[in-house]
Amino acid sequence: QVQLVQSGAEVKKPGASVKLSCKASGYTFTSYYIHWVRQAPGQGLEWMGIIIPSGGSTTYAQKFQGRVTMTRDTSSSTVYMELSSLRSEDTAVYYCARRGDCTGSSCYFDYWGQGTLVTVSS
Amino acid sequence: AIQVTQSPSSLSASVGDRVTITCRASQGIRNDLGWYQQKPGKAPKLLIYAASTLQNGVPSRFSGSGSGTDFTLTISSLQPEDFATYYCLQDYNYPWTFGQGTKVEIK
Repeated sequence: QVQLVQSGAEVKKPGASVKLSCKASGYTFTSYYIHWVRQAPGQGLEWMGIIIPSGGSTTYAQKFQGRVTMTRDTSSSTVYMELSSLRSEDTAVYYCARRGDCTGSSCYFDYWGQGTLVTVSS
Repeated sequence: AIQVTQSPSSLSASVGDRVTITCRASQGIRNDLGWYQQKPGKAPKLLIYAASTLQNGVPSRFSGSGSGTDFTLTISSLQPEDFATYYCLQDYNYPWTFGQGTKVEIK
């Protein structure tokens, strides 16, 4: 069965970086795009960006440009999301999500990781 | 970036009620919109994609409609397990954008 298993909770100080992982299993890793979405406490969902595991190309939300880096390791079927220059507003649960088979032009998230809580506090 | 305005932000309803949630996109997005349900402490779950296609395993009381800029999620008869927060998501272009969410609470 398809699974996305994320790394554990992190506590970081302002200005630091955090690197989260998302390990995929149960399907061909290079066949499906992976997105990252975050959710601040009590807030809505925010799209951060996408990585195409087959070639490694990425697209990031403008808000995170310059601070976020998404990479992948095909040998371990794992994608990574690194966020730098952390501030308190980055405290959130970070999710990885798989983009499913698109229907015509319409795509969607069919599987999600369990989420990783990142707390930024001095 | 395409803005997606979701309403209402919250609603109170009783078991058995018909519930409607709407999303309006700031420009036409064909039918490139999905609906997700999220319960506290859990990842979102896909309900509907391509505006009106029910995801496998999702009860038929959920339905979606719309195209262009205006979209609707309807729950025909609210069940106890449906109390949750619902989000729409446009996938027409990057950045994908979510609506602000609608919290469905018990009246």
